[in-house]
Amino acid sequence: AQSVTQLDSQVPVFEEAPVELRCNYSSSVSVYLFWYVQYPNQGLQLLLKYLSGSTLVKGINGFEAEFNKSQTSFHLRKPSVHISDTAEYFCAVSVSGGYNKLIFGAGTRLAVHP
Amino acid sequence: DAMVIQNPRYQVTQFGKPVTLSCSQTLNHNVMYWYQQKSSQAPKLLFHYYDKDFNNEADTPDNFQSRRPNTSFCFLDIRSPGLGDAAMYLCATSRSRGTYEQYFGPGTRLTVT
Repeated sequence: AQSVTQLDSQVPVFEEAPVELRCNYSSSVSVYLFWYVQYPNQGLQLLLKYLSGSTLVKGINGFEAEFNKSQTSFHLRKPSVHISDTAEYFCAVSVSGGYNKLIFGAGTRLAVHP
Repeated sequence: DAMVIQNPRYQVTQFGKPVTLSCSQTLNHNVMYWYQQKSSQAPKLLFHYYDKDFNNEADTPDNFQSRRPNTSFCFLDIRSPGLGDAAMYLCATSRSRGTYEQYFGPGTRLTVT
């Protein structure tokens, strides 16, 4: 079975500082990887995805993530955060050949302070 | 803009009183999903439709049902809501089973009194 672990439940950071949100997954088969962002009382918005190809993936709002197969990780990074990046971030996996079922991590609350 | 729409955004129901949540999409996607997200937790898949083919997750309670009368609409019916069913319910779509990107609606927050 697949699972996703987000190593930090909360990450406080000052505005304009860099940030990394960590995600590890476990799976015995090939997976596709996603990061979603959720603002308060909103649905989930796709930030970026890794399906194949280059292991460095660039997404919206200046975020990027790197797929590391040997470490089974897919960490999300941004070089300089803004107050507006304050939100909940979810890492998710979907199994290759499956019916698109997304398995989410528990989420990381990013709090950007002025 | 093409999108996933959920109505209502906030729903209050009484313990045991049936309630229906609605989702519509203008993306013309084949697959529609319903997720339950309890406070401070990750979304959890309840079921999905691939076209008219209904697929229930093994651990989804029988209290939860779904209908998809056409491509655009999908409903979540909770037959006898309990206090533990209070949550955000998220609808999502994807173009087909071969594509893995899901598009989410804004969610319906359900309160059970």
